[in-house]
Amino acid sequence: AQSVTQLDSHVSVSEGTPVLLRCNYSSSYSPSLFWYVQHPNKGLQLLLKYTSAATLVKGINGFEAEFKKSETSFHLTKPSAHMSDAAEYFCVVSETGRRALTFGSGTRLQVQP
Amino acid sequence: EAQVTQNPRYLITVTGKKLTVTCSQNMNHEYMSWYRQDPGLGLRQIYYSMNVEVTDKGDVPEGYKVSRKEKRNFPLILESPSPNQTSLYFCASSSTPRGSTKGQYFGPGTRLTVT
Repeated sequence: AQSVTQLDSHVSVSEGTPVLLRCNYSSSYSPSLFWYVQHPNKGLQLLLKYTSAATLVKGINGFEAEFKKSETSFHLTKPSAHMSDAAEYFCVVSETGRRALTFGSGTRLQVQP
Repeated sequence: EAQVTQNPRYLITVTGKKLTVTCSQNMNHEYMSWYRQDPGLGLRQIYYSMNVEVTDKGDVPEGYKVSRKEKRNFPLILESPSPNQTSLYFCASSSTPRGSTKGQYFGPGTRLTVT
């Protein structure tokens, strides 16, 4: 069975400082992993995806994530936060052969000026 | 413009009154899906469809029905809504279940309140 745990429900950073949003996954088979972002009152948008190619994945808006199989983690990072990064972020897993996605509970990122 | 549209965007209804939330995509995607979003629970998949006339249950299908008679449309039907179905609903589509380079395309959401 597949599952995903986002370790922080809220993260607050200052503008210009690094962002780290943590995600651990559980999967019986080779997983695909995603990060989606949801801005207030908006639908979801894909930030990046991992599908068994390079373990360091670069996404949009300066975000990147590293797949670590030994730690079953897929943490999202950004070197320098911007006010526009304030949103809710979802880590998502999908096992090979499965037709459904499983979402984490979300991490709300606040960016302080 | 590539998009997924949902109607209505907001709906307040009463227990037991049948309702349908429509979803339409203009990208010729084969895969479509419905999710509900509740605070602290993330998005949970209700139903998905791999193609016309092919639908399957997601994680929380109880109390919902879907149909896929045309490729572009994937309506969500609540035959007898109950207050525990008060939620924010998203429709999504993509060429494959995992999405292409842009992932799944999500609609703007439908906020449903059942009293």
